[in-house]
Amino acid sequence: DIVMTQTPLSLSVTPGQPASISCKSSQSLLHSDGKTYLYWYLQKPGQSPQLLIYEVSSRFSGVPDRFSGSGSGTDFTLKISRVEAEDVGVYYCMQGIHLPQYTFGQGTKLEIK
Amino acid sequence: QVQLQESGPGLVKPSGTLSLTCAVSGGSISSSNWWSWIRQPPGKGLEWIGEIYHSGSTNYNPSLKSRVTISVDKSKNQFSLKLSSVTAADTAVYYCARTGWTDGGNSVAFDIWGQGTMVTVSS
Repeated sequence: DIVMTQTPLSLSVTPGQPASISCKSSQSLLHSDGKTYLYWYLQKPGQSPQLLIYEVSSRFSGVPDRFSGSGSGTDFTLKISRVEAEDVGVYYCMQGIHLPQYTFGQGTKLEIK
Repeated sequence: QVQLQESGPGLVKPSGTLSLTCAVSGGSISSSNWWSWIRQPPGKGLEWIGEIYHSGSTNYNPSLKSRVTISVDKSKNQFSLKLSSVTAADTAVYYCARTGWTDGGNSVAFDIWGQGTMVTVSS
């Protein structure tokens, strides 16, 4: 089974400062079609998860441009250029290549200082 | 736009069968999308359970496959989850979600989620 490992598991950030979350997969997420199926979701307190990033670096519709994704193969990063209060919650990475089993990371809890 | 709404009993007895339904509104379940069930135990992370296409094709998480059945009812524009032989470990918030498409034709997993429904397994 593929394992998705996120670090850190929690971080506290001052508003306006950047934040970065790492996600490592136990196997490459590069598909034979040339795409890399790595996603990022944010679950705000008391809400359902929401899609932020697909295919490593593509922002989903309506996602602010302060969110960016990067990486390749097995190592990926989500960056928030300037954290805002509304960004609090738990961030999950997920792989979508080794089906039939989508696999999530453990989650990274972001809080505001 | 498409919305998803889970429904079903909030309490299930151990060894019983958990049954949930996800109603799709604002769109057709027969569109070119896969429809998934995902769960989240209290205070824990997300676990994908399985998915279905309107044709009835399914994919299941291997760790749950022996206990899971996902079905679709096109006449009611909904899909359902059955999880048998439940234990306390199956206590979780259960979400339904859609795998959709961007305007550019990219498949995006779980672009729309229901609000989730809490299911407790207890006698």
